[in-house]
Amino acid sequence: GGIITQTPKFLIGQEGQKLTLKCQQNFNHDTMYWYRQDSGKGLRLIYYSITENDLQKGDLSEGYDASREKKSSFSLTVTSAQKNEMAVFLCASSIRDWGGTSAETLYFGSGTRLTVL
Amino acid sequence: QQQVRQSPQSLTVWEGGTTVLTCSYEDSTFNYFPWYQQFPGEGPALLISILSVSDKKEDGRFTTFFNKREKKLSLHIIDSQPGDSATYFCAASAWTSSSFSKLVFGQGTSLSVVP
Repeated sequence: GGIITQTPKFLIGQEGQKLTLKCQQNFNHDTMYWYRQDSGKGLRLIYYSITENDLQKGDLSEGYDASREKKSSFSLTVTSAQKNEMAVFLCASSIRDWGGTSAETLYFGSGTRLTVL
Repeated sequence: QQQVRQSPQSLTVWEGGTTVLTCSYEDSTFNYFPWYQQFPGEGPALLISILSVSDKKEDGRFTTFFNKREKKLSLHIIDSQPGDSATYFCAASAWTSSSFSKLVFGQGTSLSVVP
């Protein structure tokens, strides 16, 4: 089995600060995702990367940048932290059975909890 | 806009009872519907999933039903246990074997099973 490691687990920032969240996976999966989780709003896609050299904006990309450094790692940057912002950022990875019959499964990390003072 | 609506937002059931969670969607191209379970402090994990060619899939105490005409799906948990207390997300995508399609998640249901 594999694991998704997100660092840090807790992140406290100041308003206007640039903050970077990191994600590593050892599944050897092609596709990686960053989601934001807010209470009552489900999971909203920020950025995703289908393969190692790909980067795609999700529905919530404004205010964020992302970087796929290599197949196993995917970073997310909050470009300017908003005062009183609190959210959990979840990284996930998946592998496709191209041409097959199995729809993909996402494997999630345990999240980075962001608080902005 | 692609949306998946989930209800209720929170739910409390007695141990041994049956839990029913529901979702509805708008996009008729959606054909893959997974349910994810999330315990506090952890990331979501796939619980059960169904493709639109089926109307029911069962895995132990968990069963998901799909109604294509009404664009609705549901998750039933029989003999609910305190260990089932978690947040449940339904999701949907227009899956094909040859192209990428991202998942759209519902808002989640927080389930509490009381002994």
